[in-house]
Amino acid sequence: GAGVSQSPSNKVTEKGKDVELRCDPISGHTALYWYRQSLGQGLEFLIYFQGNSAPDKSGLPSDRFSAERTGGSVSTLTIQRTQQEDSAVYLCASSPAGKLAGNTIYFGEGSWLTVV
Amino acid sequence: KQEVTQIPAALSVPEGENLVLNCSFTDSAIYNLQWFRQDPGKGLTSLLLIQSSQREQTSGRLNASLDKSSGRSTLYIAASQPGDSATYLCAVTNAGGTSYGKLTFGQGTILTVHP
Repeated sequence: GAGVSQSPSNKVTEKGKDVELRCDPISGHTALYWYRQSLGQGLEFLIYFQGNSAPDKSGLPSDRFSAERTGGSVSTLTIQRTQQEDSAVYLCASSPAGKLAGNTIYFGEGSWLTVV
Repeated sequence: KQEVTQIPAALSVPEGENLVLNCSFTDSAIYNLQWFRQDPGKGLTSLLLIQSSQREQTSGRLNASLDKSSGRSTLYIAASQPGDSATYLCAVTNAGGTSYGKLTFGQGTILTVHP
């Protein structure tokens, strides 16, 4: 597709279960980002990939959160042992290069996660 | 730590009015500043990107200005329309190191334009 694609678009899971969220960036974009948007917290940076490596993962809130990227393309965000406070919209974004000078960042429509 | 503040938090205006949304940031060492639009239940759409060396950017009825030294940006919307109703988010990229890919967002301004 032409844009950043995320799946699933909606996920309801029971507390304690693991979830995987997938992101397909725009073809050719080397930089990929995960953000979280929760009520009252606004948009928070989670992790940044340049190619398959993650030079900045400082926003991951706990060791229950992990992410990987393979083939310089698809990325998966995994949340283990989900908690109710993990309920949020998880947004993926990509841009043509890591340095944003002159490069717009493109966001997907997000994966809406609800932990019950 | 960079902090971004947007004022007002919400704004309701009649159609046709010109309006200004404000964004301020605490650390002036930024790479660029972007304005985004978010419709309910949707992702973010980039509206305007201003590099740190630039003073303003224009796209159609939108004009964004940047005063890096004072840590301020404004988004001006001319002749507002009901279709402009959305949440508008301001975000900065801090200069240096691995933070190039990291945006710091404001809390957004919820705009409602009524007919």
